[in-house]
Amino acid sequence: AQKITQTQPGMFVQEKEAVTLDCTYDTSDQSYGLFWYKQPSSGEMIFLIYQGSYDEQNATEGRYSLNFQKARKSANLVISASQLGDSAMYFCAMSPGGSYIPTFGRGTSLIVHP
Amino acid sequence: NAGVMQNPRHLVRRRGQEARLRCSPMKGHSHVYWYRQLPEEGLKFMVYLQKENIIDESGMPKERFSAEFPKEGPSILRIQQVVRGDSAAYFCASSPLGGSDKNIQYFGAGTRLSVL
Repeated sequence: AQKITQTQPGMFVQEKEAVTLDCTYDTSDQSYGLFWYKQPSSGEMIFLIYQGSYDEQNATEGRYSLNFQKARKSANLVISASQLGDSAMYFCAMSPGGSYIPTFGRGTSLIVHP
Repeated sequence: NAGVMQNPRHLVRRRGQEARLRCSPMKGHSHVYWYRQLPEEGLKFMVYLQKENIIDESGMPKERFSAEFPKEGPSILRIQQVVRGDSAAYFCASSPLGGSDKNIQYFGAGTRLSVL
């Protein structure tokens, strides 16, 4: 069974600073996909970034980047230059190879202070 | 708005009533997924559908829950004879592809079901 662990229930960061949200996963598959989603207080789930297990480069999408360390089975999300609007829950998820069903972590609550 | 549309956003039912949750996928997407989110937890997969077909319902409770995605119209998640434990946020997602780990799913805003 796949498992996603997000060890930080809550994080605080000053506006304009960078923050790293941790995610580790457990899988025996060689091929898999990693995802991060943002859930603001309004409730919707917003796709942020995707990393494939065979991708050689770390994924980046604007201010979001994924620090992928395959040997450590970690896929940390880095948010640069935090903004007040980044305050939200962040969920890490993984789909094993050939599966369409991602397993989600329990999430990390990020609060950005002015 | 070309995103995934869910309605209603909030639904209140009394125990024993039926709840119907609707989901219209993004334009061009033919794969629909339903998830349930309990407070302080991540999303749990319930069911995966394509038009007129249930592909995987391994996460769906065996009783009282059903889902459909007809040829025309939105996907429907139906909960019969609701109980208080059904209170949760129900999310629908859609994707253009299926059966792949590169399957990026786009979510709707969810339906918050409260059972009194």
